[in-house]
Amino acid sequence: KAGVTQTPRYLIKTRGQQVTLSCSPISGHRSVSWYQQTPGQGLQFLFEYFSETQRNKGNFPGRFSGRQFSNSRSEMNVSTLELGDSALYLCASSLEGDRPQHFGDGTRLSIL
Amino acid sequence: GIQVEQSPPDLILQEGANSTLRCNFSDSVNNLQWFHQNPWGQLINLFYIPSGTKQNGRLSATTVATERYSLLYISSSQTTDSGVYFCAVRYGQNFVFGPGTRLSVLP
Repeated sequence: KAGVTQTPRYLIKTRGQQVTLSCSPISGHRSVSWYQQTPGQGLQFLFEYFSETQRNKGNFPGRFSGRQFSNSRSEMNVSTLELGDSALYLCASSLEGDRPQHFGDGTRLSIL
Repeated sequence: GIQVEQSPPDLILQEGANSTLRCNFSDSVNNLQWFHQNPWGQLINLFYIPSGTKQNGRLSATTVATERYSLLYISSSQTTDSGVYFCAVRYGQNFVFGPGTRLSVLP
């Protein structure tokens, strides 16, 4: 069974640009969550999608948004990029919200 | 909100030694997971353990939900065990990670 796939693995952008990250969950998993990992703040929850609906949202500005498609694939968008958005963005999938989460390898985003 | 603490923050071991990592949480949680983040940034799911004890090879974990803590035991450590160990809890609808324990196993 294929794991969680995130694309791209690495991305370099400049301030003010926008970026879209993609996450394909494990087959059959309907819940997809996104996290931001930085050295200063650790791993922080961004949002969770279940059956194409955003179920939860962490404490991030509105520049961070996401969506989930009918095949459970999810995208995360960050607009008007800031230097502080440089981070490892991790996606996790699970059968349901309370079941074990399985993580992808992440997208490392660098803002110049 | 909930507070998740992990101790110790850093741990250095010689290969073959045993260790215990601790995770404390400040409120009742729906579930708890332990993860290992390797030096390449990959988060590996170790245990899904809302309560009780589980074992997987050299690793085992115990969660005492009523006392709000979980322990991760690593026996006969190997250099490949190096990395950061996180506990994470499901609190309401959110998933909250602890700050991690950085483990270095020396040959």
